[in-house]
Amino acid sequence: EVQLVESGGALVQPGGSLRLSCVASGFTFRSYEMNWVRQAPGKGLEWISYIGTFDRTIYYVDSVEGRFTISRDDARNSLSLQMNSLRVEDTAVYYCARAQVDYDGAFDFWGQGTLVTVSS
Amino acid sequence: QSVLTQPPSVSGAPGQRVTISCSGSSSNIGTNTVNWYQQVPGTAPKLLIHSNNRRPSGVPDRFSGSKSGTSASLAISGLQSEDEADYYCASWDDRVNGPDVVFGGGTKLTVL
Repeated sequence: EVQLVESGGALVQPGGSLRLSCVASGFTFRSYEMNWVRQAPGKGLEWISYIGTFDRTIYYVDSVEGRFTISRDDARNSLSLQMNSLRVEDTAVYYCARAQVDYDGAFDFWGQGTLVTVSS
Repeated sequence: QSVLTQPPSVSGAPGQRVTISCSGSSSNIGTNTVNWYQQVPGTAPKLLIHSNNRRPSGVPDRFSGSKSGTSASLAISGLQSEDEADYYCASWDDRVNGPDVVFGGGTKLTVL
């Protein structure tokens, strides 16, 4: 069974840092492109970052470029998101999502999400 | 302001058919495929339709997708109470600075 389990969400002050993790199981993690998607309270979905497989291609949405860093550790079946210079508007539930190449990159499995609250 | 435009809400009675529209541009829907996600409040999104009109295993055939030009639609026939959820369209967007995944703002489906 495919599982994605996020952790690391917390209450943090503006300007602070946080590292989110997503541990994968039930599939060959190294073969899949991965993404982070967030959802602010009461709002819609916002894609924030992508990381490819062997070539490690990386993309970010403009609003997090230079502040967030996506990475993966295929040996540990783990995806990470290092978040620096956090802002109040980064408050959201953060989901990791697997991209399915056979589905033109659609996100076929999602984690349960981890809540990040940025507030003083 | 989302890159893809969806109606904020739609509604229908049990058994009826509803459609949700998703409007984009040449850099996203006009060039790339469209995916649809269903999200029951308080839970993670679930892939409903991929590659414009393909259903993953386990998704009932009451759900169907289509795309024409820079717009796409999700149709739900034979509405059931468990279909009450938020629905999001999504597509890659080929920006000059590098591709993004863009979502619609979401459509809340109410089953009357």
